Amino acid sequence: DTGVSQDPRHKITKRGQNVTFRCDPISEHNRLYWYRQTLGQGPEFLTYFQNEAQLEKSRLLSDRFSAERPKGSFSTLEIQRTEQGDSAMYLCASSLEGDTGELFFGEGSRLTVL
Amino acid sequence: AQSVTQLGSHVSVSEGALVLLRCNYSSSVPPYLFWYVQYPNQGLQLLLKYTSAATLVKGINGFEAEFKKSETSFHLTKPSAHMSDAAEYFCAVRPSGYSTLTFGKGTMLLVSP
Repeated sequence: DTGVSQDPRHKITKRGQNVTFRCDPISEHNRLYWYRQTLGQGPEFLTYFQNEAQLEKSRLLSDRFSAERPKGSFSTLEIQRTEQGDSAMYLCASSLEGDTGELFFGEGSRLTVL
Repeated sequence: AQSVTQLGSHVSVSEGALVLLRCNYSSSVPPYLFWYVQYPNQGLQLLLKYTSAATLVKGINGFEAEFKKSETSFHLTKPSAHMSDAAEYFCAVRPSGYSTLTFGKGTMLLVSP
């Protein structure tokens, strides 16, 4: 078990460019979550998947944000036409199904939009 | 809707002193509660969780937390702080039947020699 891995760890981009982050969850976990964390704030929920189904996406910040998990394994989070306000740490987490299961987090992908 | 309030964005203690980080929650249904720790430029690591069994929960690194329904609190404590405890701590709530965690804003713990 190698834990949750995220790639890239750091991304610097110019405003208006598209960026994509990848998350590989713990292999036996069927739930995958995306959170955003800005400086001085706790993680803010964006979206989550159970297997390949995206069960909650209303919290995505705008229609520039989209996420996929095509085969129920890894997931990607894409931000189109980035803005400076998108600069943040994007965290991925995975868990087993069930209320009491804790989320296991990756180390995050830090986005800086210039 | 559920929410978490962490009192104090920064808490400073001396090495060897008691650590107390406060967390209050609101939830319309019985909650499951979690404390996570985050070191600089790293992801979040689970310290402990309350899942409706014992109200006093013991976690890693000598931390523990007590669920008090009447006070809607889940404060984190450690009898004796160590320099390595310096980090940011997040309280989170997951109401029963929900699939996602809602986090507080975090408390930065500073430990001085």
